[in-house]
Amino acid sequence: QSALTQPASVSGSPGQSITISCTGTSSDVGGYNYVSWYQQHPGKAPKLMIYEVSNRPSGVSNRFSGSKSGNTASLTISGLQAEDEADYYCSSYTSSSIPLVFGTGTKVTVL
Amino acid sequence: QVQLVESGGGLVKPGGSLRLSCAASGFTFSDYYMSWIRQAPGKGLEWVSYISSSGSTIYYADSVKGRFTISRDNAKNSLYLQMNSLRAEDTAVYYCARVGIASRMDVWGQGTTVTVSS
Repeated sequence: QSALTQPASVSGSPGQSITISCTGTSSDVGGYNYVSWYQQHPGKAPKLMIYEVSNRPSGVSNRFSGSKSGNTASLTISGLQAEDEADYYCSSYTSSSIPLVFGTGTKVTVL
Repeated sequence: QVQLVESGGGLVKPGGSLRLSCAASGFTFSDYYMSWIRQAPGKGLEWVSYISSSGSTIYYADSVKGRFTISRDNAKNSLYLQMNSLRAEDTAVYYCARVGIASRMDVWGQGTTVTVSS
């Protein structure tokens, strides 16, 4: 099972919107609505930001939204803020021999 | 307060063993699947292992299968990872996480560092 594919980096200016993609296959992202997104600041544990493609846990800003089309899921951050600068990882349930796979990770830089 | 606290990390020689622990509090531990995830220095997240609420269903990543053993003690609200035949490439921060519905990991520990070096 290969990791899901994410762009290595995405950047934007404060107030702008950015989108991070997460591409898999029909055995993971495309086959199930079990895509999650995690935010990780340097030296910290990951934090769940989106689950089941587009749902936000309590306490997560509504500036974060998720969607999916075919084998690609996306995380959009609107109204970009300095505190959003972090690494972001997607994950998906898979029907392969292992139940979960992470994305390669995307570093978000706020210019 | 829902919390996971890992312990047991350290420096170990190649071929050695280490046992990680994860203490859970603030929720009914026995209701949840649990997972171990690791992150090598400067690298991304790698899912390692997964255990069902009763312990009857277990999965491992191919990279650790046959060397690592996940277990849990619901009476002690604790999750474990026994790591044998350790290799340099096992060097990482190891996180335990609570697995919720739809495979989401909604609670994470702070991580414990494992370094495999001679």
